[in-house]
Amino acid sequence: TQLLEQSPQFLSIQEGENLTVYCNSSSVFSSLQWYRQEPGEGPVLLVTVVTGGEVKKLKRLTFQFGDARKDSSLHITAAQPGDTGLYLCAGGTGTASKLTFGTGTRLQVTL
Amino acid sequence: DAGVIQSPRHEVTEMGQEVTLRCKPISGHNSLFWYRQTMMRGLELLIYFNNNVPIDDSGMPEDRFSAKMPNASFSTLKIQPSEPRDSAVYFCASSFGGSDTEAFFGQGTRLTVV
Repeated sequence: TQLLEQSPQFLSIQEGENLTVYCNSSSVFSSLQWYRQEPGEGPVLLVTVVTGGEVKKLKRLTFQFGDARKDSSLHITAAQPGDTGLYLCAGGTGTASKLTFGTGTRLQVTL
Repeated sequence: DAGVIQSPRHEVTEMGQEVTLRCKPISGHNSLFWYRQTMMRGLELLIYFNNNVPIDDSGMPEDRFSAKMPNASFSTLKIQPSEPRDSAVYFCASSFGGSDTEAFFGQGTRLTVV
């Protein structure tokens, strides 16, 4: 069974602070996706990384895929209240269609 | 496109009753997934279909759960009989291609079994 552990589970910070969320596994994935989920809604894709060592930036969000494709990180610079939500990583195996989701990190950003 | 459409949004039922959740995937997508989300267990894959064929149902908890996809535009997840521990938010998602492609989620069905 492929497991994706995220840390921390919960994070409460003030507006303007920086933070990093980690997603770790003992399994190798062909791709890693990050989703954000807001209350009452389904997860929405933020980014997909497919190459070991790849770094992608989405405004204040920076995503990195580990060299061995077993882990990933999400760094948010100058967090804003609009960043509040549940962040989920999800690993894909390419040929199979299914994604394995991580345990989730619940982020709250306050004024 | 309206996105993935799930119904109902909320369902409250008594233990022992049959529950049917419905999903309309995005037109043109060839993969459909049913997930269950709880605080304790997070987002769990129950079953997924590719081209209307069930590919992996290893996440289905037990025989009380069944899923069908009679055509490319409709799927159901049935629980019979329902139990209080089935209370969760059930999501349907669809995608086109392999697991490297984006999965689009519906808004979910919040199921409460009392």
